[in-house]
Amino acid sequence: EAQVTQNPRYLITVTGKKLTVTCSQNMNHEYMSWYRQDPGLGLRQIYYSMNVEVTDKGDVPEGYKVSRKEKRNFPLILESPSPNQTSLYFCASSFLRQNTEAFFGQGTRLTVV
Amino acid sequence: KQEVTQIPAALSVPEGENLVLNCSFTDSAIYNLQWFRQDPGKGLTSLLLIQSSQREQTSGRLNASLDKSSGRSTLYIAASQPGDSATYLCAVRRNSGNTPLVFGKGTRLSVIA
Repeated sequence: EAQVTQNPRYLITVTGKKLTVTCSQNMNHEYMSWYRQDPGLGLRQIYYSMNVEVTDKGDVPEGYKVSRKEKRNFPLILESPSPNQTSLYFCASSFLRQNTEAFFGQGTRLTVV
Repeated sequence: KQEVTQIPAALSVPEGENLVLNCSFTDSAIYNLQWFRQDPGKGLTSLLLIQSSQREQTSGRLNASLDKSSGRSTLYIAASQPGDSATYLCAVRRNSGNTPLVFGKGTRLSVIA
């Protein structure tokens, strides 16, 4: 089954404690990205990657890092989380050159206290 | 900068009604438009994708249309059911497969039995 898998689904952490949210896709997609969803603001792109070792900033990259060492994986790293990073996070993937749909993971609800 | 607006923000209808959700976008130079469904606290499920050269797509009781020149898309749901209750999100991708999805803030639909 074609899917994007994120882990963990729920996470509560304290300010400043480094964390990683993993994302994996099984569709051989080149393009992967991270979004955050906040009430009243909708979904906004954090970072994206067009292929292995190619990453770039989206609209709201401050406080986040990513890596793309393998095509299927695109982890989101928060080096020093702060309360304003409390949000619902989504990983997405799609093909670069085929005009087909984007697939989204189940979401990770992060609370930073 | 592309902006996506969805009207209405919330909608409540009795079971069995046909309904239309609206999505408008400011820049008509789009690559594709995708409709998603989001259940509370859950991930995004892709419903329909319309490529920029297409006028409509159908899946079961759902029909999505696209009018690029006027910057509009509609999602038509026939014979609504309580299980259709969810938030419906519209997203457009500009130019090509390596650009981000720009989302509207969604329409929250409640279908009353």
